[in-house]
Amino acid sequence: GEDVEQSLFLSVREGDSSVINCTYTDSSSTYLYWYKQEPGAGLQLLTYIFSNMDMKQDQRLTVLLNKKDKHLSLRIADTQTGDSAIYFCAERGDYKLSFGAGTTVTVRA
Amino acid sequence: DVKVTQSSRYLVKRTGEKVFLECVQDMDHENMFWYRQDPGLGLRLIYFSYDVKMKEKGDIPEGYSVSREKKERFSLILESASTNQTSMYLCASSTQFYEQYFGPGTRLTVT
Repeated sequence: GEDVEQSLFLSVREGDSSVINCTYTDSSSTYLYWYKQEPGAGLQLLTYIFSNMDMKQDQRLTVLLNKKDKHLSLRIADTQTGDSAIYFCAERGDYKLSFGAGTTVTVRA
Repeated sequence: DVKVTQSSRYLVKRTGEKVFLECVQDMDHENMFWYRQDPGLGLRLIYFSYDVKMKEKGDIPEGYSVSREKKERFSLILESASTNQTSMYLCASSTQFYEQYFGPGTRLTVT
């Protein structure tokens, strides 16, 4: 079965880089996702990476995938107050997504 | 833009009441999903539907049922609400099972 784990909290200073880590267990996952949830809102797809890629960059976001260790990370460069949110990683299984518990990122001035 | 709407943002119900949560999507997506979100547990899949009148159990279907009579609408039903069903409920839709688009959520409190 799938089991996705993330640390629950991250505090970062405005302007610094944030790195959110995630581990997963299903080695057959073809896609891995990062979702963002702002306060009072649903989840918004931020980015995804296909399992045959090591890295994907999209503006301030960099996703790194280590398939051997089943480790996924999301780096946010130049973190802003608007990046304060809960970030979920998710892996694609046979018919569903399996989500981690979410990492609450707090950006301090 | 894909739009997924949920009938209520906040709902307060009493133990034993029958509760309906409605979800509507406007993108003609085949698949729709109901999750509950609890702190420290992330999102857990309750039910999903891949076509009208079709439904499949997710990871935690106990105490819930669903209805999909029209493609754009997916309802979650709590037959007899209990306090342990107090949670945030999120609906999502997708053309395939990934890249899901989420509604804003319904925060349900059962007293």
